[in-house]
Amino acid sequence: GEDVEQSLFLSVREGDSSVINCTYTDSSSTYLYWYKQEPGAGLQLLTYIFSNMDMKQDQRLTVLLNKKDKHLSLRIADTQTGDSAIYFCAETVGNKLIFGAGTRLAVHP
Amino acid sequence: GAVVSQHPSRVICKSGTSVKIECRSLDFQATTMFWYRQFPKKSLMLMATSNEGSKATYEQGVEKDKFLINHASLTLSTLTVTSAHPEDSSFYICSATAVSSYEQYFGPGTRLTVT
Repeated sequence: GEDVEQSLFLSVREGDSSVINCTYTDSSSTYLYWYKQEPGAGLQLLTYIFSNMDMKQDQRLTVLLNKKDKHLSLRIADTQTGDSAIYFCAETVGNKLIFGAGTRLAVHP
Repeated sequence: GAVVSQHPSRVICKSGTSVKIECRSLDFQATTMFWYRQFPKKSLMLMATSNEGSKATYEQGVEKDKFLINHASLTLSTLTVTSAHPEDSSFYICSATAVSSYEQYFGPGTRLTVT
């Protein structure tokens, strides 16, 4: 079935690294995505990874993909207060996106 | 590029009335548009997929007569919530994909409150 799972909450200190984890179910997903949602706003695409890649780095963001375990992670280096938001991972099933429940990231001084 | 807008951003309506939400792709032609509903502190639930010029495909459990979707042009899709009830209050988000692309670009969302 289609089910994407994430932990619901993560709290980190400003300047530390944040790691948000996600597991997905569809091994045929071509792309896997990370979106950021700030309060009352829509979704902002942060980054994505193609299924034949193990890692993708984009400035402070690093995505790791373990296809065997269907595990995806997003690492944010040097986390800032502006990174406080909800982070959604999503897998592609055909032309649809299936989202996890979102991880709320709280950054404290 | 790849900007999607929604209008209105926030709407309050009375029970029993209908409300229309517009989703526009501003700088690209959107062959497919998606409508999502997001409950407080929950994930996005796909409601329906619409292709320009054809009927929308609704997900299981979504009433097509209640949530009317029209994708009349390559830059506009509308969602009409008919005979709205308080339980229809939610955050509605649309997204759009361009020709030959699977990447979805999301609108900023519309907050619907039914009183």
